[in-house]
Amino acid sequence: AQSVTQLDSQVPVFEEAPVELRCNYSSSVSVYLFWYVQYPNQGLQLLLKYLSGSTLVKGINGFEAEFNKSQTSFHLRKPSVHISDTAEYFCAVSGSNFGNEKLTFGTGTRLTIIP
Amino acid sequence: KAGVTQTPRYLIKTRGQQVTLSCSPISGHRSVSWYQQTPGQGLQFLFEYFSETQRNKGNFPGRFSGRQFSNSRSEMNVSTLELGDSALYLCASSLGVVGNTEAFFGQGTRLTVV
Repeated sequence: AQSVTQLDSQVPVFEEAPVELRCNYSSSVSVYLFWYVQYPNQGLQLLLKYLSGSTLVKGINGFEAEFNKSQTSFHLRKPSVHISDTAEYFCAVSGSNFGNEKLTFGTGTRLTIIP
Repeated sequence: KAGVTQTPRYLIKTRGQQVTLSCSPISGHRSVSWYQQTPGQGLQFLFEYFSETQRNKGNFPGRFSGRQFSNSRSEMNVSTLELGDSALYLCASSLGVVGNTEAFFGQGTRLTVV
């Protein structure tokens, strides 16, 4: 089984400042990792994913994340945030072997951009 | 390209009743997965259907069931509703199995049990 911990439930950041949203996972098998964003009254939208290859993954809207296997982390970063980035962000993990391929989500981090 | 469509968007039911939620995936997608989202428990996986077969199931009681039709549309049923079933129910469709590819989510059905 897999689990995800998002250490920060809320993160306030000034506009144009950098941000990092933290995500740690636990799994006994190899994993795939995802970040999804949820805007108010909307479903979830994929920001980026790590399946294999380069550990630095670039996504939409200027976000990127780095897979660190030794620290079992997949932190999300953006060098300069915008008001439109205000949303809830979910880290998710899936096992990469047959039978474990299902999304387990963290509890979410609410990102608030301060003008 | 049409997105994932969930109907209805809002639903109010009484304790003890049953409810059926519908999800129409993106054309060509074979996988539909369902999630329950609540403020206390967050997003929890209910089940995934792939080519009409249940491929994976989360830790929910048997009152929660689903099915997938030959056109990939999926329905989720909850019987004997409890107050704690009040939640936003999200479905997602994907080309392959949900855990190793991008999942596209619908806007959800907000179920209120009174």
